[in-house]
Amino acid sequence: DGGITQSPKYLFRKEGQNVTLSCEQNLNHDAMYWYRQDPGQGLRLIYYSQIVNDFQKGDIAEGYSVSREKKESFPLTVTSAQKNPTAFYLCASTRGGFEAFFGQGTRLTVV
Amino acid sequence: AQSVSQHNHHVILSEAASLELGCNYSYGGTVNLFWYVQYPGQHLQLLLKYFSGDPLVKGIKGFEAEFIKSKFSFNLRKPSVQWSDTAEYFCAASNFGNEKLTFGTGTRLTIIP
Repeated sequence: DGGITQSPKYLFRKEGQNVTLSCEQNLNHDAMYWYRQDPGQGLRLIYYSQIVNDFQKGDIAEGYSVSREKKESFPLTVTSAQKNPTAFYLCASTRGGFEAFFGQGTRLTVV
Repeated sequence: AQSVSQHNHHVILSEAASLELGCNYSYGGTVNLFWYVQYPGQHLQLLLKYFSGDPLVKGIKGFEAEFIKSKFSFNLRKPSVQWSDTAEYFCAASNFGNEKLTFGTGTRLTIIP
């Protein structure tokens, strides 16, 4: 089945530690995205990538980093510089600006 | 800056009532517009989209939306809602040729049986 896989579904980390969220797609989509979903704030764009080895900051990129070494993979690192990292993170992909497909999400809790 | 606004944060309706959820966008150039829905515990999924042509677009499950360029709006409508329409609805936009996809803050819809 084609789709987007995010792992893990739940993640706990201690304050001050970096953590990497995985996102893999087998849809052959060129563009991939990371969003953060908080209650009442909708989906806020962290980073997006339109092509391999290229990515752009979204609206809330501070404290996050990404890489796009392969078309299928777009991992997100939440660094210790992110002031409020506890959130629900969604990965998505599109092809040619058409329908976006979403992963199941990763709920990150920093304690 | 490009943005999408949804002013209805939580809407509560009885079954069979008509629905209209507002969406306004702030984009220059040619805009692509979308409505996504997130049912409880499920992935976001596409309801409908507008790229060009007929400004009235029809989507799945009886939803439709109208693109009004002069008002920068893309409101979602359904003539008669069902309890199963209880979900969170998100409007989204991108510019033609640029794949940056921006979402609104969402509207939580609760249907009372």
